[in-house]
Amino acid sequence: EDQVTQSPEALRLQEGESSSLNCSYTVSGLRGLFWYRQDPGKGPEFLFTLYSAGEEKEKERLKATLTKKESFLHITAPKPEDSATYLCAVQADSGSARQLTFGSGTQLTVLP
Amino acid sequence: EAQVTQNPRYLITVTGKKLTVTCSQNMNHEYMSWYRQDPGLGLRQIYYSMNVEVTDKGDVPEGYKVSRKEKRNFPLILESPSPNQTSLYFCASSTSVLHNEQFFGPGTRLTVL
Repeated sequence: EDQVTQSPEALRLQEGESSSLNCSYTVSGLRGLFWYRQDPGKGPEFLFTLYSAGEEKEKERLKATLTKKESFLHITAPKPEDSATYLCAVQADSGSARQLTFGSGTQLTVLP
Repeated sequence: EAQVTQNPRYLITVTGKKLTVTCSQNMNHEYMSWYRQDPGLGLRQIYYSMNVEVTDKGDVPEGYKVSRKEKRNFPLILESPSPNQTSLYFCASSTSVLHNEQFFGPGTRLTVL
């Protein structure tokens, strides 16, 4: 069974204080790992897809990296508008390759 | 504007009263799915569809039905809702199962009394 564990559950940062969010996964062959951002009361918003170990993707202050067991979302010099819940999901490379398995998310608060 | 729309956004109903939540996408996506989101449990997939007339169960399909008669629409049907189906529901779509960057709708908050 595919499993995704995100840590920490919640993180409070001061504006400009860089940090990383962790996503550990267990999957029988990885087709893709996805990062989403979710604001309160809204649907998740797609950020990145990573397909293989060693791959990195960047968008503004966010950088996602992937190893064979985990992914990190690095946030450099965050701003209050980066406050959100960040979700990680994996898609297995199984016969049906059908679904995403989501973690419970990290709730990030960036204080001004 | 590319989007996934859901209706209604909020719904309060009573046990056993059949309801349908509609989902529509305007991006010509093949893959569509329904999720429920509950505190501490994250997003869990209910049903998905890889194309018209092709649907399959996700992790938590009990008590739900879906249909995919047109590419753009993927309604979620609760034939006899129960209080344990009180949740926040999201519809999502993507180009295909191989390119599964999913675009999510705004959500439907359902309360079953």
